[in-house]
Amino acid sequence: DTGVSQDPRHKITKRGQNVTFRCDPISEHNRLYWYRQTLGQGPEFLTYFQNEAQLEKSRLLSDRFSAERPKGSFSTLEIQRTEQGDSAMYLCASTRSGVDEQFFGPGTRLTVL
Amino acid sequence: GESVGLHLPTLSVQEGDNSIINCAYSNSASDYFIWYKQESGKGPQFIIDIRSNMDKRQGQRVTVLLNKTVKHLSLQIAATQPGDSAVYFCAENPDAGNMLTFGGGTRLMVKP
Repeated sequence: DTGVSQDPRHKITKRGQNVTFRCDPISEHNRLYWYRQTLGQGPEFLTYFQNEAQLEKSRLLSDRFSAERPKGSFSTLEIQRTEQGDSAMYLCASTRSGVDEQFFGPGTRLTVL
Repeated sequence: GESVGLHLPTLSVQEGDNSIINCAYSNSASDYFIWYKQESGKGPQFIIDIRSNMDKRQGQRVTVLLNKTVKHLSLQIAATQPGDSAVYFCAENPDAGNMLTFGGGTRLMVKP
């Protein structure tokens, strides 16, 4: 399977704990996006990378959130001191520069108790 | 599987009928629009896209119509099948960064 992969698929954590999610984009895709989706809503943009550079961050991305893409391939999204309001599906998407269609991974479902 | 959304607008159609899902977008400067299908517990899956210099684009069993005057998109699915049951989102690309802005979604239920 050469699509976008995300790990883990599900994460349950207690409030105040830190969590980290991983996204592996399609191999030749240099752009990588993170979105958050809550029940009943469409995905909301969080941040995006072109290669290893983080080019844009949404105001939704509070200082408890940090994303990295150190080698321009996989990316991690870390949430520190999780809150119940962080419970959501975290989606990763990738594409190539000059291509508009974004290919989504299966998402990581986070539940904060 | 886990439900994508519990309180979405719902369109219920009979198998074999045509479906029309509507979407209003917000940014008149957007030049690219895309429809995604999302099944329970999965990420969004590309269906069809259209650029702002077009009014209509057809795919296999799907057609997207764009009305820029009223900032409206529609997705038409011909001969709807049970496998089409999912939540459908429209999305627009409002800037050069290619981040997508999604609409609220419509749940399509196909009755056999």
